Amino acid sequence: QKEVEQDPGPLSVPEGAIVSLNCTYSNSAFQYFMWYRQYSRKGPELLMYTYSSGNKEDGRFTAQVDKSSKYISLFIRDSQPSDSATYLCAMSEAGGTSYGKLTFGQGTILTVHP
Amino acid sequence: KAGVTQTPRYLIKTRGQQVTLSCSPISGHRSVSWYQQTPGQGLQFLFEYFSETQRNKGNFPGRFSGRQFSNSRSEMNVSTLELGDSALYLCASSESSSGANVLTFGAGSRLTVL
Repeated sequence: QKEVEQDPGPLSVPEGAIVSLNCTYSNSAFQYFMWYRQYSRKGPELLMYTYSSGNKEDGRFTAQVDKSSKYISLFIRDSQPSDSATYLCAMSEAGGTSYGKLTFGQGTILTVHP
Repeated sequence: KAGVTQTPRYLIKTRGQQVTLSCSPISGHRSVSWYQQTPGQGLQFLFEYFSETQRNKGNFPGRFSGRQFSNSRSEMNVSTLELGDSALYLCASSESSSGANVLTFGAGSRLTVL
């Protein structure tokens, strides 16, 4: 079983829809939680970064972390065709053994059609 | 500020050859990490360097190696290439010396092994 599980989709929604993406994980040592967006032929781009449990909002994006359930979510409001990309959740432990190391989900392919 | 620059962007090699990939981090970032991205395994951590020292290593065979120079630029090398080494190799840099791992990725070097 992978440490981080993410439904690969694909997910197709109409423009303006609310999109919900999520990941589950098994490693209770994860302290840092991130969402990256990756367009075709590009590297991943950091969207949201959260430490420990709680919610964080940035424009149309909201990230939620529930450490008790080992579950994280990303919500996209008023989705746009430009949001069409692969969304990757990533997690990291704290401390020396985690230097540079993120554990990624498989990525969810999202298409927002006009 | 310039982003993370990786060269070459695309390359084709044959089995048994070796390859060297280069990464220039964001100015001021001293931590450089390398990842392999494949459709089957997703993004997997290779290793991390800070101040010319490898601080962390993923579960890859010894054919995969890297180094970091005094100007923080990094190279990774893969020797005795196998077909399964075909992948997108991503470099990421971070300004943090701790394990917070807020990584900025480059566009990647796409390696095809024939």
